[in-house]
Order: sequence, then C-alpha cells, then structure tokens
Amino acid sequence: DSGVTQTPKHLITATGQRVTLRCSPRSGDLSVYWYQQSLDQGLQFLIHYYNGEERAKGNILERFSAQQFPDLHSELNLSSLELGDSALYFCASSVGTNHDTQYFGPGTRLTVL
Amino acid sequence: DQQVKQNSPSLSVQEGRISILNCDYTNSMFDYFLWYKKYPAEGPTFLISISSIKDKNEDGRFTVFLNKSAKHLSLHIVPSQPGDSAVYFCAALRSYGGSQGNLIFGKGTKLSVKP
Repeated sequence: DSGVTQTPKHLITATGQRVTLRCSPRSGDLSVYWYQQSLDQGLQFLIHYYNGEERAKGNILERFSAQQFPDLHSELNLSSLELGDSALYFCASSVGTNHDTQYFGPGTRLTVL
Repeated sequence: DQQVKQNSPSLSVQEGRISILNCDYTNSMFDYFLWYKKYPAEGPTFLISISSIKDKNEDGRFTVFLNKSAKHLSLHIVPSQPGDSAVYFCAALRSYGGSQGNLIFGKGTKLSVKP
C-alpha cells in the first residue's frame, strides 16, 4: 500500500459526459502528479501540482483540468468525454519536487462508451 | 517523439537466472532515472533510481547501470524470482527547469520469470 488513495476505482460513462477523479496524497506529501495510461501510449504525464499551485503541464487536453485543494487532495476533471479518453488514470505524490520518489495510487479505470 | 524507449515489450527468464531489462533515452537534459515495477490492477511501485553523476546503483538483487554517452540504462535482477514477474517501466526526469520532477516513462517491458 503506497498510502496514495484514488476514487473511484472504476468509472463507466458515456461520450460527452463529465467526470471527476479524486486523489489523496500520502500524509506529508505536497506534490501531486496525474498520469494517463492508455493501451498504445503507455504512461503519460498530465499535470503536476505543488502545495496548491500548478507547477507543470504535460500532454493534458484542454477538456481536462485539475486542481489541488488546501487539504492537498487533488481532483482531475474530464469533460466532453470521447471514446479515446478510456484509460487508467494514476495519481502520484511526493514530498517535494525534483527527484523525490513518486508514490502511485492504484488508479482509476475510466471507460467511455 | 518518444524520449524514453524500452524496445523489448516482453522478456522471459528462468528462475535463478539474471534478468536484464534495457532502456534508451534521447533527451540529454534528463539527469535522474528510475525503474518502476507494476503488477496488474495496481499502480507502479518505485524500485530503484540512479543519478546521472553515477554509473551504477545497487539495491539487493537489483542493480541499475547508466551509460550516459550511449544514453542507455539497464536493470539487472539477480537471481530472478517468480515474484518478479511484472511490467517494468523505465522513467527519466529533469531535476531542474520548468518540467522538473515530471516522469517521462517508457512503454514498459513485461518480465515473466518461469519456475
């Protein structure tokens, strides 16, 4: 158990809908990272928050957004969902930035029908 | 353009033998490299890392070698055990600049260790 929790575990929804994925980092960790794992693309970095502030964006679509709240939990919002958004979404947390070890949650499997 | 490449999608090894997983990268700005292990239905688990100022790091049965001039790293598992069967991801990052800390992953190598 990494100490990072993600909810829900599974999510099935329809095209055009909007969903919210939630992540609670390990106690004491200030950084939260979101990654997407799809079949053909592997694990791709989406976005990084540190202590409530956005630090970096990767391959995140404009339809996706995220935020980190004062209690340090984070939410990833996915809107106008398309079939291609079906993937595993992982959240990871670390103490700080740089090369602090990132601990991954179990992931949320999103299926868009 | 893939910056971190794991060219072998799968590897099968006999229990007790050495497993060697390879990884190549293209971005010379990467200065920290990691290996993660992933079991089905779980998130990736950190295994071992190496800074670009070193060429070898060892932790028990796991050793990572870095060849900066070749932009190549490898993970050696000796001896391999059936419980090592998993997908292994190579990852790299820059510890400075705007994208610091963001892991760039390879697509993974599925290791099967046969009893």
